[in-house]
Amino acid sequence: KAGVTQTPRYLIKTRGQQVTLSCSPISGHRSVSWYQQTPGQGLQFLFEYFSETQRNKGNFPGRFSGRQFSNSRSEMNVSTLELGDSALYLCASSLMGQGAVEQYFGPGTRLTVT
Amino acid sequence: SQKIEQNSEALNIQEGKTATLTCNYTNYSPAYLQWYRQDPGRGPVFLLLIRENEKEKRKERLKVTFDTTLKQSLFHITASQPADSATYLCALDINQAGTALIFGKGTTLSVSS
Repeated sequence: KAGVTQTPRYLIKTRGQQVTLSCSPISGHRSVSWYQQTPGQGLQFLFEYFSETQRNKGNFPGRFSGRQFSNSRSEMNVSTLELGDSALYLCASSLMGQGAVEQYFGPGTRLTVT
Repeated sequence: SQKIEQNSEALNIQEGKTATLTCNYTNYSPAYLQWYRQDPGRGPVFLLLIRENEKEKRKERLKVTFDTTLKQSLFHITASQPADSATYLCALDINQAGTALIFGKGTTLSVSS
């Protein structure tokens, strides 16, 4: 079974621009979560989608948004990019069931804002 | 707000020894706690999940304990090998489903031969 895929893997943008990142979960997984990883803050939860609905949201400004499609694929968008948005953006998918389940992470998209 | 801390940024041990990593949390009572491994340039990989009503869980050379009174989890790797060198992340969930995780900043383990 193929793992979680993220595109693009690397991205360079200029401050003020916007960016869209894509995540394809493992087949059959309906929950997709997004995280931002930086050397200073570590891994931080952005939001989680399940059945095309945002179920949980982390403490990030409204410039960060996302959506999920009917096939469970997800996108996240960052508008008006700032230098501090440079980070590794990771998505993770989960097979929802009874109780907590582990997350399967993709390789991430490395975003550099100049 | 919830806070999770891993007490060491780095841990260096010799091959064959047991590595013990510590995770402490405050302002929350998680139903689950998870441990992940992350290698440079890659996404985290799930290792173990332990529930609040479980004291200990094992998987091959790995052992996790969960003390809800102390608000602490210990992660042990026995008979460590150089291939165990990586960053280990502790995470607690904020939605009781394991899909919205707060992570510690990780402990980077280096095992020398």
